[in-house]
Amino acid sequence: AQKVTQAQTEISVVEKEDVTLDCVYETRDTTYYLFWYKQPPSGELVFLIRRNSFDEQNEISGRYSWNFQKSTSSFNFTITASQVVDSAVYFCALSESQTGTASKLTFGTGTRLQVTL
Amino acid sequence: EAQVTQNPRYLITVTGKKLTVTCSQNMNHEYMSWYRQDPGLGLRQIYYSMNVEVTDKGDVPEGYKVSRKEKRNFPLILESPSPNQTSLYFCASSLSWGNTEAFFGQGTRLTVV
Repeated sequence: AQKVTQAQTEISVVEKEDVTLDCVYETRDTTYYLFWYKQPPSGELVFLIRRNSFDEQNEISGRYSWNFQKSTSSFNFTITASQVVDSAVYFCALSESQTGTASKLTFGTGTRLQVTL
Repeated sequence: EAQVTQNPRYLITVTGKKLTVTCSQNMNHEYMSWYRQDPGLGLRQIYYSMNVEVTDKGDVPEGYKVSRKEKRNFPLILESPSPNQTSLYFCASSLSWGNTEAFFGQGTRLTVV
């Protein structure tokens, strides 16, 4: 069965610090997809990134970057020069490719990031 | 604007009183699902639907029902709500079953007393 572990329950940083949110996953499939979602205090879930299992290229989008390493089954998320607006709960999620049936998103338990001035 | 709309956003009800949370998407997505979010547990899938009239159980289906009579709508039904169903509920839709991003509704905070 697929599983996603976000061991960091809560992280507090001061604005402008860099912060890395860890995500470790378990799956028996060779084809799968990894996602990060952001849940700001307003409660909605905002899609940040999707990565498929065949693409190990790291990705950078502004202050956000993602490090996908199949060898360690990790898909870590780094925010550079954090800002107060980054304060949110961040979820890592995994979707397996299952022939003939629908897959589901399996979410980690989330990491609450608090950025203070 | 592409969106998933849930109603109501907030609901307080009493044990045993049937309720329905509606979910509608305007993106012509085939795949829809319901999740509940509880502290320390993340989001867990309740039910999903691959298309009209095709639904199946997720990880925590007990106490819930769904229907998919039209592509755009996927209501969640609690026939006899109990306090352990107090939670934050999200409806989601996506173009396909798992390799595309999911769009989430705004969430419904349900309290059962």
